Amino acid sequence: QVQLVQSGAEVKKPGASVKVSCKASGYTFTDFYMHWVRPAPGQGLEWIGVINPRTGAINYAQKFQGRVTMTRDTSTSTVYMELSSLRSEDTAMYYCARAIPRQLWFDFWGQGTLVSVSS
Amino acid sequence: QSVLTQSPSVSGAPGQRVTISCTGSSSNIGAAYDVHWYQQLPGTAPKLLIYGNTNRPSGVPDRFSGSKSGTSASLAISGLQAEDEADYYCQSYDSSLSGYVFGTGTKVTVL
Repeated sequence: QVQLVQSGAEVKKPGASVKVSCKASGYTFTDFYMHWVRPAPGQGLEWIGVINPRTGAINYAQKFQGRVTMTRDTSTSTVYMELSSLRSEDTAMYYCARAIPRQLWFDFWGQGTLVSVSS
Repeated sequence: QSVLTQSPSVSGAPGQRVTISCTGSSSNIGAAYDVHWYQQLPGTAPKLLIYGNTNRPSGVPDRFSGSKSGTSASLAISGLQAEDEADYYCQSYDSSLSGYVFGTGTKVTVL
């Protein structure tokens, strides 16, 4: 069955970087895009960006451009999201979410990784 | 600031029907981009509930139904059950932002 298993919780200081992983199993890794989403307080959920595991092509939300980097390792079926220059407002649960190419919805989600930013 | 607006909360007694609205604009829902819905039970990740405005993934009960008209969409839950108590989010694509957008979320409470 499809599984997206994310790395464990992280505690970081302001200004630091964090790298969260999402390991896929139960399907062909390169056949689906992988997105990253987080809650935004009082604003619902917030899309961070997407990576095409087959080609490595990425598309980041405007808000996160310059601060986020998404990569993948096809040998381990894992995608990574690195967020830099962390601030307190980045404290949130980060989710990876799978999507069928050219479809605009997310059909399966990881369990989430809590990132806490505090001095 | 969220691009899609939802009412913060809705409640109903078991067996009743509740409706959740999602209002967008001409650059997302009104631009013919489909609306999708997710259910987030307490302490868990979101789960796809409705895709392409009206379609249910395998395993989702037919008590859940979606619709779309103009710049808005709705999710209806009929025969409300205690297990339906959760947060619900709509989602679409926005051409102005060139990105995916979510609603503000609606908390459903079963009385």
